Amino acid sequence: DAKTTQPTSMDCAEGRAANLPCNHSTISGNEYVYWYRQIHSQGPQYIIHGLKNNETNEMASLIITEDRKSSTLILPHATLRDTAVYYCIVRVGSNYQLIWGAGTKLIIKP
Amino acid sequence: DAGVIQSPRHEVTEMGQEVTLRCKPISGHNSLFWYRQTMMRGLELLIYFNNNVPIDDSGMPEDRFSAKMPNASFSTLKIQPSEPRDSAVYFCASSSVWDRETPNYGYTFGSGTRLTVV
Repeated sequence: DAKTTQPTSMDCAEGRAANLPCNHSTISGNEYVYWYRQIHSQGPQYIIHGLKNNETNEMASLIITEDRKSSTLILPHATLRDTAVYYCIVRVGSNYQLIWGAGTKLIIKP
Repeated sequence: DAGVIQSPRHEVTEMGQEVTLRCKPISGHNSLFWYRQTMMRGLELLIYFNNNVPIDDSGMPEDRFSAKMPNASFSTLKIQPSEPRDSAVYFCASSSVWDRETPNYGYTFGSGTRLTVV
């Protein structure tokens, strides 16, 4: 199963871009990279996903390296409401399960 | 769509009592997942269903836990008898298995049930 590695925690100043890294060196060619976030006491919320190309939506941008062994989630203008745990997940195997790690606790500071 | 609906939001029960958690998935979604989350162990998959059929229950901690999905719009997770170590937040999530080969595949989570067993 492909695994992901993320920093345990990160800080970012409000209004600045938050860049959250993720390593997935064992990812296979057809596995997507998903990002979710969990704000305290709520269920995880989908942010973005990608396969090879960089992706952008109204919430964030996802940059995937050419070898696909790592990716970066970018929140372009972080706000206090972006404080959450961010999970980088690789869809795994024939059962299409999302395998959850510990995530990165992102704290946005005023 | 109202999203994935879980009830109750909070449950406090005494050790030894039966607890039933409920989930209504998004209409049209045919995969349903039950997760448990604690500070120590993070998000753990307990069981998941495709088209109302349990596919993998290897995450169910022991025989005290059981889950059913009698139809496409309802699932229950039952703990009998409950123990203090079962205290956690239980999440239900749903997805469409028909999307699993497409980039649209992803999970939608409910708001969770916070269970406290005293």
